[in-house]
Amino acid sequence: QVQLVESGGGVVQPGRSLRLSCAASGFTLSTYAVHWVRQTPGKGLAWLGVISSDGGNKYYADSVRGRFTISRDNSKNTVFLQLNSLRAEDTAMYYCARDLSWDWYFDLWGRGTLVTVSS
Amino acid sequence: EIVLAQSPGTLSLSPGERATLSCRASETVINFYLAWYQQKPGQAPRLLIYGASNRATGVPDRFSGSGSGTDFSLTISRLEPEDFAVYYCQQYGGSPLTFGGGTKVEIK
Repeated sequence: QVQLVESGGGVVQPGRSLRLSCAASGFTLSTYAVHWVRQTPGKGLAWLGVISSDGGNKYYADSVRGRFTISRDNSKNTVFLQLNSLRAEDTAMYYCARDLSWDWYFDLWGRGTLVTVSS
Repeated sequence: EIVLAQSPGTLSLSPGERATLSCRASETVINFYLAWYQQKPGQAPRLLIYGASNRATGVPDRFSGSGSGTDFSLTISRLEPEDFAVYYCQQYGGSPLTFGGGTKVEIK
């Protein structure tokens, strides 16, 4: 089955770090760029950043640049999102999504992993 | 940043009726770089339309997208029970990528 599966979410204290994973099954993720998007009830969907298929290009939203880092291990068919210096406002559902041709729209999304930042 | 305003916030319709959803951008979206997604509770968003009017693979032809510049729309010609969901537009012509706030299509 072709799918993306996020993991690594949970409850974390403000200022701490978390690493999210996005694993692909049913296809080879190394062919695709991968984006991260988060969703909150109050602010809706927000794009966080993207990594190219070979990992050589990365772009981030201003709101997370310097705190969040995207990486990938194509041998493991997995992309990662490192979240540092977490704040309460980072509480959200985090999704990864694939991008076939560096078009910056998403033809497949995962179901998301929930991150809650709370003391 | 391009702000996308979706309207209405909620659309209450019956199966078989026609749904028209609007997405208005704060500035011109270049090259028709506008996509539409469907999201159901607890599920991943699903790509419906890209390039303003191109249906994604496997999307039924009752879904159609149109528009250009700052005004775009998604039309569902005859609502099926599985179409009741939240719909989001997304522009990818400007950085950063941005999404609309969503339109919920609910059963009347």
